[in-house]
Amino acid sequence: QVQLVQSGAEVKTPGASVKLSCRASGYPFTDFYMHWVRQAPGQGPEWMGMLNPSGGTTHYAQRFQGRVTVTRDTSTSTIYMELTSLRSEDTAVYYCVRENHSSWASAYFFEDWGQGTQVTVSS
Amino acid sequence: ELVLTQSPGTLSLSPGERAALSCRASQSVSRSYAAWFQQKPGQAPRLLIYGASNRAAGTPDRFSGSGSGTDFTLTISSLEPEDFAVYYCQHYAGSQWTFGQGTKVEIK
Repeated sequence: QVQLVQSGAEVKTPGASVKLSCRASGYPFTDFYMHWVRQAPGQGPEWMGMLNPSGGTTHYAQRFQGRVTVTRDTSTSTIYMELTSLRSEDTAVYYCVRENHSSWASAYFFEDWGQGTQVTVSS
Repeated sequence: ELVLTQSPGTLSLSPGERAALSCRASQSVSRSYAAWFQQKPGQAPRLLIYGASNRAAGTPDRFSGSGSGTDFTLTISSLEPEDFAVYYCQHYAGSQWTFGQGTKVEIK
């Protein structure tokens, strides 16, 4: 079965950077796009960006452009998300998500989610 | 920029009642990317509906999705105790994925 296992909780000071990991298993790693989504306390999910594990191409949400970088290591089926210049508003749970698609339904969807990583930014 | 507005913010209902949750997009969007998620406290969102009307694996048939263009609806035909949770819609436009702010379905 698909498993997405994320790294542990982080506590950072304002201005620092954080790099999270997400190790995938149970499916061909390079066949499915991967995304990062975060959720601040009491808020809805917020999409941050995506990566094509096959070629490594990325696309980011406009509001995170220049501050977020998503990479991958195909040898370990792991994706990473680095967020720089952290501020208190970046305190949130960060999820990695596997995108799937259905040819017969002509649909694309966020099917599998990691367990989440709590990032706390505080001085 | 795509904005998704979910209504109502909170829905207070009793078990066995029918729930209808609305998601309105600020521009016309493709059904191919329309999805609904359920989230319970301390858990990751769980995919319920994709492609506007297709149930994800494990989604009970009391859940149904409909809509097109700018208006989408998630309907729960008869609420079970485990259905009381927060529900989010999601769409894609302009190379950006967007979530709604959520509808909380609470026990009346």
